Amino acid sequence: NAGVTQTPKFQVLKTGQSMTLQCAQDMNHNSMYWYRQDPGMGLRLIYYSASEGTTDKGEVPNGYNVSRLNKREFSLRLESAAPSQTSVYFCASSEPGNEQFFGPGTRLTVL
Amino acid sequence: AQSVTQLGSHVSVSEGALVLLRCNYSSSVPPYLFWYVQYPNQGLQLLLKYTSAATLVKGINGFEAEFKKSETSFHLTKPSAHMSDAAEYFCAVSPSGGSYIPTFGRGTSLIVHP
Repeated sequence: NAGVTQTPKFQVLKTGQSMTLQCAQDMNHNSMYWYRQDPGMGLRLIYYSASEGTTDKGEVPNGYNVSRLNKREFSLRLESAAPSQTSVYFCASSEPGNEQFFGPGTRLTVL
Repeated sequence: AQSVTQLGSHVSVSEGALVLLRCNYSSSVPPYLFWYVQYPNQGLQLLLKYTSAATLVKGINGFEAEFKKSETSFHLTKPSAHMSDAAEYFCAVSPSGGSYIPTFGRGTSLIVHP
């Protein structure tokens, strides 16, 4: 039982490059989330998926897209990376109203 | 609408001293409340949660929190700090219905001195 896994763990991009962050959960949860964590800002929700086949914007969606590939997988795409997207990205999953389970994070630097 | 305020971005205590991390929330509907802990270079993990049962909630590692509706607070306490408690702590509020999407506070870094 791996819980929530994320790949890659680290990534360095140049401004304008694109990349996809992968997330998978093996707990059969309906809801999945993408957050970014910046110093002093806590966790800010980028996008979430309440159930397979649905996605919705969170607090800071600009510059990102998501895909809920199936019940297990939820990916986050940066189409044209900007230095302001330098952050630590966390994926989480849960059943609605219950605790969230977090992945180990992806540390992204955009030069 | 909902929001969370964590008072103090850093709290410093001596080993063996009381730990008190403050969390106040606002919510237009009855809330669910959570405390999470984040150790360096790791994801968040649940310490404890309040979901409208007992107002005093006990969690892992000796932590507990009390839901006080009149004060809209959910402060986290531990009677005696250990060095291993040094970490970042996040309070989160979720509506008890609808989307259930949680809102996180900005976090409090707990520093434990020998």
